[in-house]
Amino acid sequence: NAGVTQTPKFRVLKTGQSMTLLCAQDMNHEYMYWYRQDPGMGLRLIHYSVGEGTTAKGEVPDGYNVSRLKKQNFLLGLESAAPSQTSVYFCASSYSGRQATGELFFGEGSRLTVL
Amino acid sequence: AQSVTQLGSHVSVSEGALVLLRCNYSSSVPPYLFWYVQYPNQGLQLLLKYTTGATLVKGINGFEAEFKKSETSFHLTKPSAHMSDAAEYFCAVSSTSGTYKYIFGTGTRLKVLA
Repeated sequence: NAGVTQTPKFRVLKTGQSMTLLCAQDMNHEYMYWYRQDPGMGLRLIHYSVGEGTTAKGEVPDGYNVSRLKKQNFLLGLESAAPSQTSVYFCASSYSGRQATGELFFGEGSRLTVL
Repeated sequence: AQSVTQLGSHVSVSEGALVLLRCNYSSSVPPYLFWYVQYPNQGLQLLLKYTTGATLVKGINGFEAEFKKSETSFHLTKPSAHMSDAAEYFCAVSSTSGTYKYIFGTGTRLKVLA
């Protein structure tokens, strides 16, 4: 059971380039999330999804877009990368409804550097 | 609005000593409270959680935490630190169990001295 898998794990971009981070979960979770982690700031929610075909903005959505075309996948896109987007990005998923336990299941992270 | 405050961004303890990591929260509704641990270059994993019922909750690796409503606290403890406990610990609060509304603290990095 792979859980939550993120690709790529590392990426270096130049300012203005675009890229997509892929998150895949095999636990049939309805809810999926993208967080960024920066030193001294904890985790901040970028976007989230409560089901296939739905997305919503979190705390820090500017400069990012997301899509959830399939239940198991949640993509995070950067259309024009900026140095301020240098961070470690984490995808997470969780159960919903009657199966909800409150626990978030995290991927191992994707370290992005924007030069 | 909900918020989480973790006191001390870095804590050092000797191996075998008590571990105490502090977390205070604010919430306008009954909270769900969590502690997550992050080992180097890994994602976060759940240590323990409080939703309802018994206020003293036990988690993995010998950790436990007590929900104190009157003090709005959810401090994490372990009687005897082990070298393998060195990691970063995050406290989080959620208003319900199944929504996006998780608020994380800024984290406490635990160092265990031999």
